Amino acid sequence: DVKVTQSSRYLVKRTGEKVFLECVQDMDHENMFWYRQDPGLGLRLIYFSYDVKMKEKGDIPEGYSVSREKKERFSLILESASTNQTSMYLCASSLTRIGNEQFFGPGTRLTVL
Amino acid sequence: QKEVEQNSGPLSVPEGAIASLNCTYSDRGSQSFFWYRQYSGKSPELIMFIYSNGDKEDGRFTAQLNKASQYVSLLIRDSQPSDSATYLCAFGSNSGYALNFGKGTSLLVTP
Repeated sequence: DVKVTQSSRYLVKRTGEKVFLECVQDMDHENMFWYRQDPGLGLRLIYFSYDVKMKEKGDIPEGYSVSREKKERFSLILESASTNQTSMYLCASSLTRIGNEQFFGPGTRLTVL
Repeated sequence: QKEVEQNSGPLSVPEGAIASLNCTYSDRGSQSFFWYRQYSGKSPELIMFIYSNGDKEDGRFTAQLNKASQYVSLLIRDSQPSDSATYLCAFGSNSGYALNFGKGTSLLVTP
C-alpha cells in the first residue's frame, strides 16, 4: 500500500513565522502535490512537483514556496504565515502517468494566530 | 477553466437504500475519473476509478461514466451509516499531472 506521511497532524503558529510542512511518500512516486482544503472551497492546488527539483505553481501559490530535494520528500514553506493561511493542508503523490490516481497523506491542520 | 460540478448536498438516504452521487465536468480532454471518500477531519481516500464509458462495479460501489454527456456517477448499494461522508469526484487529462477535484457531496445515511 502507498503510504504518504506528513510531519504534523496539528500545528499552531504565530503570524509572521516561517512554517515548514513536510511530506514523505514511500512508493517511489514521481509526482507530489500540496493542497489546502477549506469549507465551501474544496481542495485547492498550491504547488506540485513532477520530479526532483522540479515544481509547478498550482491555483493558489501566493504566500507559499516548495522544495523537493529528494524524490520521496516534498516540503511546503509558508514564508511569513498569516491568519488567512489557517487551513487543512494535504499532501498527495502519484505515479508519473498523467491523470493517475493520487494518494493522500493524513493532513496537517494549521492554525495561525 | 476545468470545472467539476457536484451537488454539495447533504444527500440523505435511509440505511439499505441506494445512494446516487453525480458529477459533471467541462474538460472534454478528460481521460481518467476518480471517486474519493472523505470522512470528517480525515483526508480523501480513493474508492473507485474509471477510464472507459460504462459501468464499473466494486463490491457495493458502481461507478458510471458517460463521456458524451460529460458526467460520472457513483452508486452505493445497501447504504450503511458508515458510508456517511463527503464524496469527491476528480478527473485527470492528458494536459497535466494534477487532478481536478469537485467540492464534494455530503452523504448522510440514516439508520
